[in-house]
Amino acid sequence: SYVLTQPPSVSVAPGQTARITCGGNNIGTKSVHWYQQRPGQAPMLVVYDDNDRPSGIPERFSGSNSGNTATLTISRVEAGDEADYSCQVWDSNSDHPWVFGGGTKLTVL
Amino acid sequence: LQLQGSGPGLVKPSETLSLTCTVSGGSISSSNYYWGWIRQPPGKGLEWIGSRYFIGRTYYNPSLKSRVTISVDTSKKQLSLQLSSVTATDTAVYFCARQVYYNGVGVSGPFDYWGQGTLVTVSS
Repeated sequence: SYVLTQPPSVSVAPGQTARITCGGNNIGTKSVHWYQQRPGQAPMLVVYDDNDRPSGIPERFSGSNSGNTATLTISRVEAGDEADYSCQVWDSNSDHPWVFGGGTKLTVL
Repeated sequence: LQLQGSGPGLVKPSETLSLTCTVSGGSISSSNYYWGWIRQPPGKGLEWIGSRYFIGRTYYNPSLKSRVTISVDTSKKQLSLQLSSVTATDTAVYFCARQVYYNGVGVSGPFDYWGQGTLVTVSS
């Protein structure tokens, strides 16, 4: 089945830019979705279809996807952005079509 | 739209885990959505369990396929999960979620709405 690889942790100071990567074989040919999950809460969609935002998600959240790497970028990071972030794709030709990355813990210093 | 999961928080080894997710504020019969279950073991990442379309197409994680059944009751607006022969490794928070389906092009989109999650512990 398709494998998505994320770094376990990313740290950034308030006001700076955080970049969280999601690696996969030719992931640039797939649509990537990103979820934010705070402790004890359900995941929340923050970016879908590579770079679209659901209603209510700040413009500070953006995404890109090319080659073997997709990236979630959070600009002007705030303390409230501290959470786990997971990427997800749909692999249409697989018997395991919905795949999540292992998640990245974003720490705001 | 709201998804409310429910079910026992403690299941004995070798028994069957049964959870229900009730959908309110929207239709469970729309052709634009799948309905899925995802779990998260303590301290670990998200694992897709399975997904069902309202007209019966169902997909399961191959690693769980022999033990999983997902069903939809459109009259009750409920999604159900059954996982048989559970062991301690099935201890996790279980989430139900709605998945967007771009019906016109036959492409699956994101999980856009999630239930609050139900912690299920497998222990005697």
